[in-house]
Formats: sequence, C-alpha cells, structure tokens
Amino acid sequence: AQSVAQPEDQVNVAEGNPLTVKCTYSVSGNPYLFWYVQYPNRGLQFLLKYITGDNLVKGSYGFEAEFNKSQTSFHLKKPSALVSDSALYFCAVRDDEGTGFQKLVFGTGTRLLVSP
Amino acid sequence: DGGITQSPKYLFRKEGQNVTLSCEQNLNHDAMYWYRQDPGQGLRLIYYSQIVNDFQKGDIAEGYSVSREKKESFPLTVTSAQKNPTAFYLCASSPRTAYQDTQYFGPGTRLTVL
Repeated sequence: AQSVAQPEDQVNVAEGNPLTVKCTYSVSGNPYLFWYVQYPNRGLQFLLKYITGDNLVKGSYGFEAEFNKSQTSFHLKKPSALVSDSALYFCAVRDDEGTGFQKLVFGTGTRLLVSP
Repeated sequence: DGGITQSPKYLFRKEGQNVTLSCEQNLNHDAMYWYRQDPGQGLRLIYYSQIVNDFQKGDIAEGYSVSREKKESFPLTVTSAQKNPTAFYLCASSPRTAYQDTQYFGPGTRLTVL
C-alpha cells in the first residue's frame, strides 16, 4: 500500500522567512501526491498536486512543492511566510487498490506556526 | 469549502443514540467520501461512493452506515455500535475516482458524545 510520512509535528518560522513542510512517500509505481491545508475547525483546502512533469509544482497562496524522486520527497515550500499561513498541513498520496477506486492516503499532518 | 455543505457544525450525542450527519454538494461530482479526523492521526476513510445507489466500506467502516440515493447527497449515520465516535467528520467529493482527480472538502461536523 502507498503511504506518506510527515516527520515533523510542528514547524515554527518567523514571518518573512522561507518555510518548508516535509513529506516523504512510499509508493509502487508513479506517485500522485497532494498537499492540503486546514484552518481551525474547517475542512481541508486543496493547495497543489503532482501528477507528472515538472518537479516544481506551483499552487495556491504562493505555495509550491518540490518533487524529488531520488529522495522520495515532496516538500511544501513558500519563499516568505505570513502569519496567516499558520495552519495544519497534510500531505497525501493516491493509492490504487486495484479495484478501479483510487483513494487518498493522508499523512498525520504538520502544524505550521508563523510568528510575527 | 465552496460547493459542499455539512450540517450541523456541532453535534452532541448521548451514548446509545444514532445520529446522522448531512453532506450535500452542488458540484455535480460523481464520487463522495466520508473521513474521520482525530488529533495526530490524520484522516481515515470511513465510506465512499462512486455513483448513486452504490457505496463501499473504507478503512474504518465499523459502527457507521451511509446511503447514496441522490447524486448530491451522502449522509453518514453514526450508530451506537461505534465505540468511540467523538471526532471531527469531513465529507469530500471529486468528479470521479478512476483518475487522479482532486477531492474537495466540506467544512466538517464535530461530534461529541456526552
């Protein structure tokens, strides 16, 4: 089965500094990877996805993610963090169960805290 | 959250009661999903439906039931058989499941057992 790991429970960064939220994956075949963000007591919002093509994927709100096949990583990045970026971030991978249904498998989430 | 509504936002249940969580979407999506979110565990799939009148168990279906009588609606019932139902429940939809289509989420329902 496919899986993703988010090794950091929390990431702290000062406003204006670059941020990175880490994700590593374990898949057989080509990975389809996603990043979502969740604000308190809200649903998840889609940020970006990697299907194929360029290793640098640009998404919403100035976020981007770098796909690295050799390191099996898909880290989320932003050049300059905002206090409003503080939220819970989830990495996910598509898992094909062989039945035609392709579900998403989520990581445990990383809380990003941006200080003023 | 646009296009997917969940109600109620907060729900309190006494032990032994069944409760039903509503999920409606106006995105004309074929596939719908229910997830459970617990602190530190990410999201776990409860049930999913690829088409009207069809649904399948996910990873943690025990103690839950669903129906899919209309394309836009996918209600989840938390039964008294669910031993630890206190959690945040998220509904999602996507255009179809056979491709890498993005899932879009509703705002969630927080269920608390008293």
